[in-house]
Amino acid sequence: EDQVTQSPEALRLQEGESSSLNCSYTVSGLRGLFWYRQDPGKGPEFLFTLYSAGEEKEKERLKATLTKKESFLHITAPKPEDSATYLCAVATSGSRLTFGEGTQLTVNP
Amino acid sequence: GAVVSQHPSWVICKSGTSVKIECRSLDFQATTMFWYRQFPKQSLMLMATSNEGSKATYEQGVEKDKFLINHASLTLSTLTVTSAHPEDSSFYICSAWRGETQYFGPGTRLLVL
Repeated sequence: EDQVTQSPEALRLQEGESSSLNCSYTVSGLRGLFWYRQDPGKGPEFLFTLYSAGEEKEKERLKATLTKKESFLHITAPKPEDSATYLCAVATSGSRLTFGEGTQLTVNP
Repeated sequence: GAVVSQHPSWVICKSGTSVKIECRSLDFQATTMFWYRQFPKQSLMLMATSNEGSKATYEQGVEKDKFLINHASLTLSTLTVTSAHPEDSSFYICSAWRGETQYFGPGTRLLVL
């Protein structure tokens, strides 16, 4: 059974304080690992897809990396508007996604 | 811009009534759409996979007679919550693949009184 575990559950940062979110996974055949951002009361917003170990992708203050067992979402010099829940999901066989429980990020000004 | 839309964005209904939620893919065709349910402070839980032209596939534990799914066209899937009860109150989100990315709708908040 595919499993996705995210840590920490919640993270509070001061504006400008860089940190990383973790997503560890156990799957039988990874087709892709996805990062989404979800604001309260809204649907998930796509951020990145990673396909193979060693791959990295960046977007503004966010950088996602992938190894054979986990992915990290690095947040550099975060701003209050980066506050959201960040979801990690994996795609294996078929077309379904398996989600982790998410990390709720709060960035204080 | 938005890739997947949902309507309505929120709905309040009385216990025992049925509620229909629409999910549309914008500017692309989706033979498969997905319906998720999300409770407060929890992650997304896949309820069912909607297939155009055939029956939906439901996840274990999801009552197919309660959550009716109709994939009427290549751009529209509907979820009908039949005889809704307060425990059905939740945030319902649909999604669809466009290329290599699964895009999500904005969600529908259902409150059953």
